[in-house]
Amino acid sequence: AQSVTQLDSQVPVFEEAPVELRCNYSSSVSVYLFWYVQYPNQGLQLLLKYLSGSTLVESINGFEAEFNKSQTSFHLRKPSVHISDTAEYFCAVSLFSGGYNKLIFGAGTRLAVHP
Amino acid sequence: ETGVTQSPTHLIKTRGQQVTLRCSSQSGHNTVSWYQQALGQGPQFIFQYYREEENGRGNFPPRFSGLQFPNYSSELNVNALELDDSALYLCASSSSGVAYEKLFFGSGTQLSVL
Repeated sequence: AQSVTQLDSQVPVFEEAPVELRCNYSSSVSVYLFWYVQYPNQGLQLLLKYLSGSTLVESINGFEAEFNKSQTSFHLRKPSVHISDTAEYFCAVSLFSGGYNKLIFGAGTRLAVHP
Repeated sequence: ETGVTQSPTHLIKTRGQQVTLRCSSQSGHNTVSWYQQALGQGPQFIFQYYREEENGRGNFPPRFSGLQFPNYSSELNVNALELDDSALYLCASSSSGVAYEKLFFGSGTQLSVL
């Protein structure tokens, strides 16, 4: 069965510092991987996704994630965070079974950026 | 694009009652999924509707049911509410439901069962 583990429930960091949010997945088949972000009182928004090809994927706001098949990881990184990056981040894997697709999410990592 | 909208934003019910949550999908989207997000957890898949038919269901009991209408809006119904049903319920729409497609989420309905 596919599952997603986010190793840190909370990550406090100072503004302009680098950050890494860790995500590991388990799957016996090829997967599509996603990072979604949830700002307070809002729904989830897609941050970036890995489908195939280059293992390094980037978002428009400076985040990047690297797919590592051997370590079954998809860690999210940003070299310099801003206060506005404070949010909950969810890693997810896409599962296609029984003729439909669903996302399996990790428990989330709360990123708190302090001035 | 009008986005995905959900109503109500907050709801308080008592154990044993029934509740209906509503979702208006993004324009042009024919696939809607519902997720339950309990406090401190990631969203869990409840079910998915494609062109008014349920085509996938997660590990939720039959008292969780849904509908999708011809205009692709949808409802989530929960009967015989239990305390553990307290959660944020998220609706997500997409244009085809394929595995690599981006989902558009609403802001959710926060359900509290007392």
